[in-house]
Amino acid sequence: GQNIDQPTEMTATEGAIVQINCTYQTSGFNGLFWYQQHAGEAPTFLSYNVLDGLEEKGRFSSFLSRSKGYSYLLLKELQMKDSASYLCAVRADYQLIWGAGTKLIIKP
Amino acid sequence: NAGVTQTPKFQVLKTGQSMTLQCAQDMNHEYMSWYRQDPGMGLRLIHYSVGAGITDQGEVPNGYNVSRSTTEDFPLRLLSAAPSQTSVYFCASNLPGTDNTEAFFGQGTRLTVV
Repeated sequence: GQNIDQPTEMTATEGAIVQINCTYQTSGFNGLFWYQQHAGEAPTFLSYNVLDGLEEKGRFSSFLSRSKGYSYLLLKELQMKDSASYLCAVRADYQLIWGAGTKLIIKP
Repeated sequence: NAGVTQTPKFQVLKTGQSMTLQCAQDMNHEYMSWYRQDPGMGLRLIHYSVGAGITDQGEVPNGYNVSRSTTEDFPLRLLSAAPSQTSVYFCASNLPGTDNTEAFFGQGTRLTVV
């Protein structure tokens, strides 16, 4: 079966660093995506990994280990506007399989 | 740059009513899809299309119909609304393939069936 697991909720402090983990078991793998979704809004693209290793994009980085079925999203220098849900999705053939998302709460 | 335009943003239906959610994209994307998002669950694929004239079922297709007569438009029809279809619906489009083809989402439709 297809399964993607993420923590339901995390809390972090403004200015700190937070790591959001994602583990997956899917029948195929053509890449892993991270999306950000603010409350009441549509998901927006953050990052894409298809090879093992770390992809850095400003304050956000994403890591992938295909052998372990594991990814994480690292957010640095947290800002209040980073309060949102973070969705992990794996592409298997044409389709995206989505995790339930991690709600990140930022405290001042 | 319109991207993906989805209407309406909010809708209340009575059980048994029918309606169509509209979705249009202007990026010439071949792949379009409809998802529903429920609390505590990931986005679940309802139907998808890999090009004009081609549609297929996703994970939760029952109670929904789609058609794709043009590359731009991909409407979702609820034939006889049920309370279990209360959800937030998203239309998305992307280029096909296995590269970094990010999905672009419409603004979402918050549907309540009473």
